[in-house]
Amino acid sequence: QQQVKQSPQSLIVQKGGISIINCAYENTAFDYFPWYQQFPGKGPALLIAIRPDVSEKKEGRFTISFNKSAKQFSLHIMDSQPGDSATYFCAASMDTGRRALTFGSGTRLQVQP
Amino acid sequence: EADIYQTPRYLVIGTGKKITLECSQTMGHDKMYWYQQDPGMELHLIHYSYGVNSTEKGDLSSESTVSRIRTEHFPLTLESARPSHTSQYLCASRAEQAVGYQPQHFGDGTRLSIL
Repeated sequence: QQQVKQSPQSLIVQKGGISIINCAYENTAFDYFPWYQQFPGKGPALLIAIRPDVSEKKEGRFTISFNKSAKQFSLHIMDSQPGDSATYFCAASMDTGRRALTFGSGTRLQVQP
Repeated sequence: EADIYQTPRYLVIGTGKKITLECSQTMGHDKMYWYQQDPGMELHLIHYSYGVNSTEKGDLSSESTVSRIRTEHFPLTLESARPSHTSQYLCASRAEQAVGYQPQHFGDGTRLSIL
């Protein structure tokens, strides 16, 4: 049973456009929702994260929107650049115990110049 | 900047060999994790350690074993490698804090291929 579902699997966006990646979770005990960016041959790097007590968090060109009632959250990349081309993973965790991350299946983003 | 190192980065080896994947972090983090990632797929937790001499199996069943004799070192061992073990293995660590969530920092992984 996949606890965090991510879509789309792949995304092609023109330079300057908006990239949107969506995730849905099932476990209501999750209370931390990070997004990771992974380049080929590298480990995932934390991009931005949100707690469920806020509906939106913005850091530069990256924004997380969070809908607690729908159990959904999304990543928006404004003014997408070719350097943003990477695989993006949403994840979820509980703030107790192991605090291990449950990952979505990833979205391969390609930003065309 | 997180300092977590994995070696080797790539390993191609024959069936039946014993393999140890190394993971070291210089941040003094108590919590360490091993994830397995197949190409283009999500990461799955296979091992967790909450401190020296304390390890647990993760959510995904794995034939690998781990040890934690020193805080900074969390090696993963496969006693007898099989083609089904071919995957990428990622190590992560995080600081422990009483309040608030500390992010996990990942190494660049070991891409393992068993022939």
